[in-house]
Amino acid sequence: DQQVKQNSPSLSVQEGRISILNCDYTNSMFDYFLWYKKYPAEGPTFLISISSIKDKNEDGRFTVFLNKSAKHLSLHIVPSQPGDSAVYFCAASARWYMKTSYDKVIFGPGTSLSVIP
Amino acid sequence: GAVVSQHPSWVICKSGTSVKIECRSLDFQATTMFWYRQFPKQSLMLMATSNEGSKATYEQGVEKDKFLINHASLTLSTLTVTSAHPEDSSFYICSARDTAGAMGAKNIQYFGAGTRLSVL
Repeated sequence: DQQVKQNSPSLSVQEGRISILNCDYTNSMFDYFLWYKKYPAEGPTFLISISSIKDKNEDGRFTVFLNKSAKHLSLHIVPSQPGDSAVYFCAASARWYMKTSYDKVIFGPGTSLSVIP
Repeated sequence: GAVVSQHPSWVICKSGTSVKIECRSLDFQATTMFWYRQFPKQSLMLMATSNEGSKATYEQGVEKDKFLINHASLTLSTLTVTSAHPEDSSFYICSARDTAGAMGAKNIQYFGAGTRLSVL
């Protein structure tokens, strides 16, 4: 049972436009969410995170929105650039895991973003 | 620059041999590191949590005798694939958790570049 879902396996966006990547989760215990970007044959790179006490976090061209009632978050990239073409993973973790001296980050299946010049 | 170094990036070995992969946190101390495996076109699958000074915690279905983990210091964890077989061929990725927030926000996992293991 997937606890973190990214229902769009791929997304194509024109350069300069907005990219919106969506993520849904099922476990209401999750209270910390992260987005990672991954190029082929490389490890994921941390992009941005958000705690459940917030509904928005912005860092440059990247903004993450969290809707707790809907158990939904999204990553907005604006303006999109060709270098943004990669697989984006949504990830979630729960504070109670941290109390057990380790925490698990549950990753979604990823969305492959292609930014077309 | 990279904050987590993973070595080697690519290894080819014969069936039956053992392979060791190293994961080092470069700019912070990591009491907790994680080992993932990624199959083609699939997400990251957590294999085990590596805890400094104690035994690793393995996820269900992961053979602890097959995938030996040692976290001997606050900056180094190793994964040894013992008696590797072709079905162990995969992309292995480690991450280190920055608990104290030395790199910015606390508790962010930073990933190594991954190791491509090919078992012939």
